Amino acid sequence: KAGVTQTPRYLIKTRGQQVTLSCSPISGHRSVSWYQQTPGQGLQFLFEYFSETQRNKGNFPGRFSGRQFSNSRSEMNVSTLELGDSALYLCASSSGAGVYNEQFFGPGTRLTVL
Amino acid sequence: AQTVTQSQPEMSVQEAETVTLSCTYDTSESDYYLFWYKQPPSRQMILVIRQEAYKQQNATENRFSVNFQKAAKSFSLKISDSQLGDAAMYFCAPFPIIQGAQKLVFGQGTRLTINP
Repeated sequence: KAGVTQTPRYLIKTRGQQVTLSCSPISGHRSVSWYQQTPGQGLQFLFEYFSETQRNKGNFPGRFSGRQFSNSRSEMNVSTLELGDSALYLCASSSGAGVYNEQFFGPGTRLTVL
Repeated sequence: AQTVTQSQPEMSVQEAETVTLSCTYDTSESDYYLFWYKQPPSRQMILVIRQEAYKQQNATENRFSVNFQKAAKSFSLKISDSQLGDAAMYFCAPFPIIQGAQKLVFGQGTRLTINP
């Protein structure tokens, strides 16, 4: 099976712009989670989508949003970018059906905000 | 709320030797899993080992094993016979067993360097 893919891999934006990141989960997986990784804050959970519904949400401002499509692909959007949004954004997919399902991570999208 | 502490930001070990990475956590949940993830430089995060909190026996995966002390909320990772490919950031993460809660809370990570 193909692994989790994320596009684009690298992105450079300026303050105030918005950005959309994409994640394609492993075939058959219905859950997609997003994480932000920065040197200062480490890895932080953004949100999780399961069957097109947001099921869990972390403590991020409303500028961070996401959605999931019927084919389980997910997008994450950040509006009004700030310098502090520069980070590696990771997505992880899992079957999502049980209490525990191993999460498989993608390579990440590195966002730089200038 | 959960907190995870990895007190060793960096560690180094000679190839073929053994190294132990420490992790302490705090969770209000009674049932949970504990994971160690590995993130090699510029490569994807992968699961190294998993421990179910209700199991007293420590998990082992080839050269990787854990020392799980539930009362102390401690979950350390031991890597035996270290190899150059083990160089990576290692993250500890508890995972509460709650239906529908697919959320990992990670520690700050330990950067492991393997010296040839």
